[in-house]
Amino acid sequence: KAGVTQTPRYLIKTRGQQVTLSCSPISGHRSVSWYQQTPGQGLQFLFEYFSETQRNKGNFPGRFSGRQFSNSRSEMNVSTLELGDSALYLCASSTPSGTVSYEQYFGPGTRLTVT
Amino acid sequence: AQSVTQLDSQVPVFEEAPVELRCNYSSSVSVYLFWYVQYPNQGLQLLLKYLSGSTLVKGINGFEAEFNKSQTSFHLRKPSVHISDTAEYFCAVSEKTDKLIFGTGTRLQVFP
Repeated sequence: KAGVTQTPRYLIKTRGQQVTLSCSPISGHRSVSWYQQTPGQGLQFLFEYFSETQRNKGNFPGRFSGRQFSNSRSEMNVSTLELGDSALYLCASSTPSGTVSYEQYFGPGTRLTVT
Repeated sequence: AQSVTQLDSQVPVFEEAPVELRCNYSSSVSVYLFWYVQYPNQGLQLLLKYLSGSTLVKGINGFEAEFNKSQTSFHLRKPSVHISDTAEYFCAVSEKTDKLIFGTGTRLQVFP
């Protein structure tokens, strides 16, 4: 079974631009969560989507947004990029259909560099 | 609010020696506890989890952890480490949702 895939793996953007990151969960998984990892702040929860609805949200500004499609694929968008947005963005999927599971499977991440 | 404290930022150890990585958590409700490992330039891999039941949890790669409710701890142990165990280890807690709160990580460095 294929794991969680994230595209692109690496991205370089300029301050003020916007960026969209994509995540494809494991087949059958309905929940997708996003995390930001930086050396200074560590791993921080951004938001979680389940069946196309945002179910949980972390403490990030409104510049960070996400969505989930009917096939459970998810995208996150960051608008008006700042230097501090440089980070590894990790996507995780869980909750196979018909079960309740809190075991999250992580993708390899997208490394975003803002210059 | 939940929080997770990993008491050691780095743990150096020689190959075949035992190791313990410490994790303490704070929460006002019952929680689920996890340990994840991250190798360089990779995502996180689940080592083990405590949801309920036996307080001693066994995971992959020979790791185990013990949930201690009175001390709010979930320390990770391995009786004999290998060079390939060199990685960053993260303890995480959730209040029975998919929102994980992570500790700051412990860098395990195994020397030959």
